[in-house]
This record gives sequence, C-alpha cells and structure tokens, in this order.
Amino acid sequence: GPKVLQIPSHQIIDMGQMVTLNCDPVSNHLYFYWYKQILGQQMEFLVNFYNGKVMEKSKLFKDQFSVERPDGSYFTLKIQPTALEDSAVYFCASSFRRNQDTQYFGPGTRLLVL
Amino acid sequence: QQQVRQSSQSLTVWEGETAILNCSYENSAFDYFPWYQQFPGEGPALLIAIRSVSDKKEDGRFTIFFNKREKNLSLHIKDSQPGDSATYFCAATSSGQKLVFGQGTILKVYL
Repeated sequence: GPKVLQIPSHQIIDMGQMVTLNCDPVSNHLYFYWYKQILGQQMEFLVNFYNGKVMEKSKLFKDQFSVERPDGSYFTLKIQPTALEDSAVYFCASSFRRNQDTQYFGPGTRLLVL
Repeated sequence: QQQVRQSSQSLTVWEGETAILNCSYENSAFDYFPWYQQFPGEGPALLIAIRSVSDKKEDGRFTIFFNKREKNLSLHIKDSQPGDSATYFCAATSSGQKLVFGQGTILKVYL
C-alpha cells in the first residue's frame, strides 16, 4: 500500500535544543498530520496541514512547535526549544481527501529529550 | 476526558478462536470509525473502517459491528492467527481532519 516515510527513525537530543522531524508523505496526498504517542499510551492528534496552512491544532501543539512543507518537499515538525515532556514517538500521516478518508501513517520518529 | 474508550487493555485468545475487541465513544458527531493495527516499532496501519450509516462492515476475517444508538462498536477477528498478535486501536473522526484514538488493546494469539 501507500507508504509514508519518516526521517530519522530515532533522535536523542539535549533539552533546549531544536529538533526537526521529517516526513515524506504519499505522493498525491494533500492533507498532512502529526500525532504524538507517549510510550504505552494512545496516539494523540497534534496538528493537520493543508495547502500550506495549519487547519487545526490541539492543545498539545505548543508555541514551541511549528510545521511546514516548503515547495512540496518534506512535511516537517520543528520543536524549538525542546522540553523533557516532548519525549515520545511522533507519527506523520497523510490522506488524499479530508472527509472519511484513510490516513496512512509512517513508522514514527522516536524522540528522546535528555 | 476519554472520547474514545477501548474496554480492554489486553486480550488473549487461542489460535482459531474469535477475538472480540470493544470500543465506545462519546461524541455523537463522530461519523467514521477506522480500526488500526500496530506492530511493535511500526506505525499504525488501517485494518478496516466503518461509516456511521452502516451497522456492519466485513472484510475477510475482520468484521466491525456498529451500534449508533449505544455509541459502541466492536471488531471481531475470526479464526485468530498468531500473526494477528498486535495492538489494535479504535479511532473516530467527524467529517475528517483529526482522528481521536482509543488507548489500544494488545491482542495475543497463542498456539
């Protein structure tokens, strides 16, 4: 099936540093999402993005977070500065349409903030 | 509060049995309910989904039963196989955009 790629698979950084998580969505998809999953817990929605804009964000999407997809390249999630509670697995997803459409997930980036 | 709730954190069945995973939700506006299967170290993959206008959706060994009035649904996995051992997430959305996930049920299928 359609593949979403995420780079890197793992990242360890010191608290206060900046980190950028990269997502290569399915090629003809138009809607992009980030979700956060803390170990052993459910996945929680962070943000979705369409046509160069944030469509909706949750309360987990703090001011230190930003997303962009410059010129159709990677869809990125940037955290600056990072905090200890940002340690989690971050999943990128994409879909072609918005309504009742399948979201395809990447394998996740495991972020550890020390 | 938990908008989507899965009643069991874990479930164990023997090979060949039917595994039943239950899910309930609070928001009446939810109209699309996908189930995702996740193996350790991987992202969740769509298994099967149902729209709120239907009460049953079947795909091979996997069937969703949906009760709109009671706001609950269940995933039945017939003839369970050891390869079905994974974490299953019930999710819900209203008119697209974000998915709201349950906390997951870890299914173990023993030989």
